[in-house]
Amino acid sequence: EAQVTQNPRYLITVTGKKLTVTCSQNMNHEYMSWYRQDPGLGLRQIYYSMNVEVTDKGDVPEGYKVSRKEKRNFPLILESPSPNQTSLYFCASSLGLAAATDTQYFGPGTRLTVL
Amino acid sequence: AQRVTQPEKLLSVFKGAPVELKCNYSYSGSPELFWYVQYSRQRLQLLLRHISRESIKGFTADLNKGETSFHLKKPFAQEEDSAMYYCALLNYGQNFVFGPGTRLSVLP
Repeated sequence: EAQVTQNPRYLITVTGKKLTVTCSQNMNHEYMSWYRQDPGLGLRQIYYSMNVEVTDKGDVPEGYKVSRKEKRNFPLILESPSPNQTSLYFCASSLGLAAATDTQYFGPGTRLTVL
Repeated sequence: AQRVTQPEKLLSVFKGAPVELKCNYSYSGSPELFWYVQYSRQRLQLLLRHISRESIKGFTADLNKGETSFHLKKPFAQEEDSAMYYCALLNYGQNFVFGPGTRLSVLP
């Protein structure tokens, strides 16, 4: 089944303890992206990747890192999590962006709580 | 800076009534605009995209460059349309800017 998967789905951690949220897609998509969703703010893009080894900052990249060593995986790394990073995180992928048929496929979300 | 606003946090309409979810944007250039929807316990998904000009589930959206708007409309709301709706803009063909979202509640 074509899909975007994220792990873990739920995570409670403490301030400063490094963590990684994995994202994987099996659709050979070139574009991948991470968002955080907060009440009243909608989705805000953290980082995106146009292709392997190409990553760029979105609107809220502070405190996050990403890597794109393979086309299918796009992990989100929080080196030193803080309580203001408590949020619902979504990964998404798309074959491209320009064509009328291009669409982002979203993962199920990861709910992160930083104490 | 590029920005998307959705002035209504919550919109309630009765089944069969017309619905319009408002979206305004600020962007220097020709915008590429989208509407995404998130139904309860489902993943966020694309509802429609400006350049595709398709009508999905009876929804349409027209880009009005003069008013910098991309309002989502449906002539007769159904209960299954109840969901969270996000307007989004593709910034210079690379990154997305989303609005804060509008929760649509269609009452029986």
